[in-house]
Amino acid sequence: AQTVTQSQPEMSVQEAETVTLSCTYDTSESDYYLFWYKQPPSRQMILVIRQEAYKQQNATENRFSVNFQKAAKSFSLKISDSQLGDAAMYFCAYRSGGIQFYFGTGTSLTVIP
Amino acid sequence: EPEVTQTPSHQVTQMGQEVILRCVPISNHLYFYWYRQILGQKVEFLVSFYNNEISEKSEIFDDQFSVERPDGSNFTLKIRSTKLEDSAMYFCASSLRQGAYNEQFFGPGTRLTVL
Repeated sequence: AQTVTQSQPEMSVQEAETVTLSCTYDTSESDYYLFWYKQPPSRQMILVIRQEAYKQQNATENRFSVNFQKAAKSFSLKISDSQLGDAAMYFCAYRSGGIQFYFGTGTSLTVIP
Repeated sequence: EPEVTQTPSHQVTQMGQEVILRCVPISNHLYFYWYRQILGQKVEFLVSFYNNEISEKSEIFDDQFSVERPDGSNFTLKIRSTKLEDSAMYFCASSLRQGAYNEQFFGPGTRLTVL
């Protein structure tokens, strides 16, 4: 069964600094997709970044990048130059051929001015 | 930018009552989903809906649950006889296409409290 684990329930970072959020997953599939979603307080989840498992190159979206280690089944999110607007709950998620997402429990990120 | 909307933002109900949670997906999307998140736990998939049919459902989605797209714009989740353990945040999502790579757009959620 697919499981996604986020071992850091809470993280904090100083404004302008870099923070890395951890995610590990378990699957027997070889082809799948990994996602990071951000949920600001009282707002909807929005997609931050996604990675195809068959691509070795790590995905990057502006200040957000991932470190995808397929053999280790690890998919961490790095936020560079953290901004106050980055404060949110971050969810790691997995999908393979099916429709449904498998989510982690989330990491609450606080940005300290 | 178009968004998925959900109403109400918070619903309180008595155990055994029926509730209907409402969602308005993004207008040109074709695939619709419901998820729930019990406090402190993972976001869990409930059901997906396409072409007026359920296309996939999880084991959570038992006979107490039903979904409907009654008028071409709303997408509803009905819980027939609520239980205490149904208390959770319920998220609606929609997508233009199916497939594991395609983005699902989420609503802000409805917090359901069953007393």
